[in-house]
Amino acid sequence: EIVLTQSPGTLSLSPGERATLSCRASQSVSSTYLGWYQQKPGQAPRLLIYGASTRATDIPDRFSGSGSGTDFTLTISRLEPEDFAVYYCQQYGSSLWTFGQGTKVEIK
Amino acid sequence: EVQLVESGGGLIQPGGSLRLSCAASGFTFSSYNMNWVRQAPGKGLEWVSYISSSSSTIYYADSVKGRFTISRDKAKNSLYLQMNSLRAEDTAVYYCARVGIFGVFSDYWGQGTLVTVSS
Repeated sequence: EIVLTQSPGTLSLSPGERATLSCRASQSVSSTYLGWYQQKPGQAPRLLIYGASTRATDIPDRFSGSGSGTDFTLTISRLEPEDFAVYYCQQYGSSLWTFGQGTKVEIK
Repeated sequence: EVQLVESGGGLIQPGGSLRLSCAASGFTFSSYNMNWVRQAPGKGLEWVSYISSSSSTIYYADSVKGRFTISRDKAKNSLYLQMNSLRAEDTAVYYCARVGIFGVFSDYWGQGTLVTVSS
């Protein structure tokens, strides 16, 4: 089973700042099957990025994804107040899905 | 508008059984693969089970294999999760999710239903 490790656990930033979130896999992951989700308190997750770098429908272009192999990154270019949330990376492989443990982006 | 509405959660004793339902609307349910994903209180997301559009392919996480059964009813536009031999560690919010992109990514989620396993 591929383990996804996200860092940092918590990111304390101010609105307008750039956020860089990391997702590292225990073994190589197909970029096609790597995605990112956002979750706000009391809400279901929302798909942000799929295929490592493609924004989902209605996702603003301040969100971008990159990476390959074992290292993937979610970047939020300029944090808006509504972006403070928990972010999860997810991969699919060998008939199962795994999530990272999440990165919380909080207001500094 | 795509909607997924889960139901069936509640308080259940260890060793008990519960059946979750997910009513789908706003899309052609029979054309989409579906997932169940859960989230323990204050914890991260954990994939539970997958079923293909035709029910021909089913997968389970090791943590629930042999205890949970996923199924779907095309006529009722509904997804189900039969949970047996429940344990305290199964306590979580259970989400159903449409697997709409590349057959892998969940593009629509329900609001979740809480299952609490406790004596």
